[in-house]
Amino acid sequence: SQQGEEDPQALSIQEGENATMNCSYKTSINNLQWYRQNSGRGLVHLILIRSNEREKHSGRLRVTLDTSKKSSSLLITASRAADTASYFCATAPGDSGAGSYQLTFGKGTKLSVIP
Amino acid sequence: DAGVTQSPTHLIKTRGQQVTLRCSPISGHKSVSWYQQVLGQGPQFIFQYYEKEERGRGNFPDRFSARQFPNYSSELNVNALLLGDSALYLCASSRGLAGGVAETQYFGPGTRLLVL
Repeated sequence: SQQGEEDPQALSIQEGENATMNCSYKTSINNLQWYRQNSGRGLVHLILIRSNEREKHSGRLRVTLDTSKKSSSLLITASRAADTASYFCATAPGDSGAGSYQLTFGKGTKLSVIP
Repeated sequence: DAGVTQSPTHLIKTRGQQVTLRCSPISGHKSVSWYQQVLGQGPQFIFQYYEKEERGRGNFPDRFSARQFPNYSSELNVNALLLGDSALYLCASSRGLAGGVAETQYFGPGTRLLVL
């Protein structure tokens, strides 16, 4: 089953604009991760934010986490055509034990950056 | 360093057949996980192996099985294939268990399976 739900499902922007994608989840987490997938191939890890962190930056990426609202956002600044891809959030459960090692992915946001 | 490799890249099978997918993790990574991604959906967790032992299993039928070898490579087997098994099968590796928490996963390019 899908734990995270990304919003919007699809996003189309002009090159140079900022892109914001949101993710909501249902249960407690240890960490939340964002991945990018190009053309239905392997996923590339972008950033990991732990449950005790509120914001994290990596290059043009900014991720926020609000555990009280069970939500996260991914901001890509100054987007490029090469950023065109599907973006997924994935949660690692907060409880240890059986199943604690699995990531639960959302359905993804399909981003199109128009040159 | 080489990334996660998977073979084959594409596979076509018919209903009822069996398939074996292979994965080699990044050198030094001891944990391998398998995910199924149906078109238009996010990946769904199937198995996780660490030090040749199954450490996690998703909500998949017993037709799905896996194993990890001493060199940490892994195989995913699916028996009695159904049309609904058509999907991209992704393998991911990570360094270890990190205290029982899923850390950053490094994904391979996937094997695209089509069941006719």
